Amino acid sequence: GAGVSQSPRYKVAKRGQDVALRCDPISGHVSLFWYQQALGQGPEFLTYFQNEAQLDKSGLPSDRFFAERPEGSVSTLKIQRTQQEDSAVYLCASSLVSGQPQHFGDGTRLSIL
Amino acid sequence: RKEVEQDPGPFNVPEGATVAFNCTYSNSASQSFFWYRQDCRKEPKLLMSVYSSGNEDGRFTAQLNRASQYISLLIRDSKLSDSATYLCVVFGGGSQGNLIFGKGTKLSVKP
Repeated sequence: GAGVSQSPRYKVAKRGQDVALRCDPISGHVSLFWYQQALGQGPEFLTYFQNEAQLDKSGLPSDRFFAERPEGSVSTLKIQRTQQEDSAVYLCASSLVSGQPQHFGDGTRLSIL
Repeated sequence: RKEVEQDPGPFNVPEGATVAFNCTYSNSASQSFFWYRQDCRKEPKLLMSVYSSGNEDGRFTAQLNRASQYISLLIRDSKLSDSATYLCVVFGGGSQGNLIFGKGTKLSVKP
């Protein structure tokens, strides 16, 4: 596609529910990244894929967070047993290769009630 | 110490003013540097890469000082449409693939 596509744009869930956020990167981009952005803060790194391999997941805040990219294109970020502190904008970015400028999707705004 | 530090602002300037943003980074092994722009409730968008020799793109000039671990962005003849948050971004390099973002500097250009 022309750009990074994320869905849904907005997600409201009750505390304790599981959510799944989808990212469709730019076609041909090897590297895919997930970031979490709280209000008034810069994006914080969560995890990074090179093709289907998850090379770095050091930013995932807890074992409730899980990401996958099984075929090296679309990626899903799953959050289990959501908590209020999970409320944030979740940004996906892709780049042709690591170290090149990243292109961001519109983000998913997650609100946990 | 945060890995990437920026003055959060806000910078309130009149149209036509020149404004400069500064950024420092802590990892001397960092390899690539960028400025991103983020409008309210929008995603970050690449403004420009930053090279050691300094680079210019129209009204925007970026500079890097590796010895001081310092990056700057200069905006000349600012426009109303320049109002946004400017994010200083560093690529760690090595096995890390991710970018490290500063918290951003908010710019508001007034008529």
